[in-house]
Amino acid sequence: QKEVEQDPGPLSVPEGAIVSLNCTYSNSAFQYFMWYRQYSRKGPELLMYTYSSGNKEDGRFTAQVDKSSKYISLFIRDSQPSDSATYLCAMSGTGGFKTIFGAGTRLFVKA
Amino acid sequence: GAGVSQSPRYKVAKRGQDVALRCDPISGHVSLFWYQQALGQGPEFLTYFQNEAQLDKSGLPSDRFFAERPEGSVSTLKIQRTQQEDSAVYLCASSARREGPSYEQYFGPGTRLTVT
Repeated sequence: QKEVEQDPGPLSVPEGAIVSLNCTYSNSAFQYFMWYRQYSRKGPELLMYTYSSGNKEDGRFTAQVDKSSKYISLFIRDSQPSDSATYLCAMSGTGGFKTIFGAGTRLFVKA
Repeated sequence: GAGVSQSPRYKVAKRGQDVALRCDPISGHVSLFWYQQALGQGPEFLTYFQNEAQLDKSGLPSDRFFAERPEGSVSTLKIQRTQQEDSAVYLCASSARREGPSYEQYFGPGTRLTVT
């Protein structure tokens, strides 16, 4: 079993929909939780990060962390065709430098 | 300023050849990471540098893989005697954070290596 599990999709939604992307993890030492967006043939781009449990909002994006369930989510409101990309969750602990990524979920937003 | 740059962007190597992949991090970033991303997968950690010191190389898949950052800026990932399973995108990332987890990493566009 992988340390971080993420449904690869693809996920296809109409423009304007609310998108929910999720990851589960097994390592309780993870404290930092990140979401990256990766367009085709590009490197990942950090969207937002959260420390420990709770919610964080940035514009149309909201990240949620539930450490008791080992479950994290990214919500995208009013989705746009330009949001079409692969979304990667990533996690790390406080004691080291290694970041563990999920496999990524491919999202398509149809105009 | 400029972001992280990587060269070459594409590399085709015959099985058994040696390759060298270059990473130019963001100026002043002390932390530098290499990742391997297979098709349809997330990046997998290979190695980490803080300035010129290689603090973690636990992700390097075999002793054919070698990374260096001799002056604490540009880094090179070298793969000797390439095998077909080495075909992947190799990503470099840098971070301004000096200690602890580097949760804010800036990635380059990657080098796509194809071994034939």
